[in-house]
Amino acid sequence: GAVVSQHPSRVICKSGTSVKIECRSLDFQATTMFWYRQFPKQSLMLMATSNEGSKATYEQGVEKDKFLINHASLTLSTLTVTSAHPEDSSFYICSARVGSSMSTDTQYFGPGTRLTVL
Amino acid sequence: AQSVTQLDSQVPVFEEAPVELRCNYSSSVSVYLFWYVQYPNQGLQLLLKYLSGSTLVKGINGFEAEFNKSQTSFHLRKPSVHISDTAEYFCAVTTSGTYKYIFGTGTRLKVLA
Repeated sequence: GAVVSQHPSRVICKSGTSVKIECRSLDFQATTMFWYRQFPKQSLMLMATSNEGSKATYEQGVEKDKFLINHASLTLSTLTVTSAHPEDSSFYICSARVGSSMSTDTQYFGPGTRLTVL
Repeated sequence: AQSVTQLDSQVPVFEEAPVELRCNYSSSVSVYLFWYVQYPNQGLQLLLKYLSGSTLVKGINGFEAEFNKSQTSFHLRKPSVHISDTAEYFCAVTTSGTYKYIFGTGTRLKVLA
C-alpha cells in the first residue's frame, strides 16, 4: 500500500531554535498534504492544508508565521516550527491525500514526529 | 461545525471476545465517516469508511461498523478479537468538498490473553 514517511521520528531542541519536519509520499503523488498536531490523550487537530505550489491554508488559531509549511513537490511537504518554545512540544502528524472525489479520496498518514522543546 | 465523540478512552477485552468501540458525531450536514487504527510507532491506517449506501460497512481485519443516522453513531465492532488488535482506534468525520477530517480522541483497545 501507499506509504508516507516523516523525518525525523523524534527531535529534541532548545527553546528559541527552529525545527524542520519532512513529510514524503514514497510511492505516489499526493494531491494535498495535511498537517496535524496531537496532544497526549487528545485527538488529532488539523493545523493546515498544503497544496503543491501554493500557500498553505491554516486553521483558525494556528500561527502561520510560527508553523511554516512549504510544499515543494507532489511528494514532499515540510513543516518548520520557528523559534520553538516548550508549549510547541507535541506529536506532529502529516497525511497525504489522493483522489479527485469523495468516493476515491484516501488519506495516508505518516508515523508522526515527536517534538520536545527544552 | 462537525464534532466526534469517542466516550471510551480505553477498552480492555479478552482474546476471542467481541468488542464494540463507540463513536458519535455531530453535524448539521451530511457526513462521511471513517475508522482508523494506529499501531505503536506507525501511522494511522484506514479500517473502513462510510460514504453512502448500505449502513453496514465492512473493513479490513474483520472489523465492521454501522452508520446510524438517527442516533448519529458509527460504532465499530469485531466479533472475535486477537492480541494483534491491540492498538489505538480513531473515528473521524468529514463533509463533502472539504476533505478535512475531524478526529475523535481515540480509544485504546487492549486485548488480554
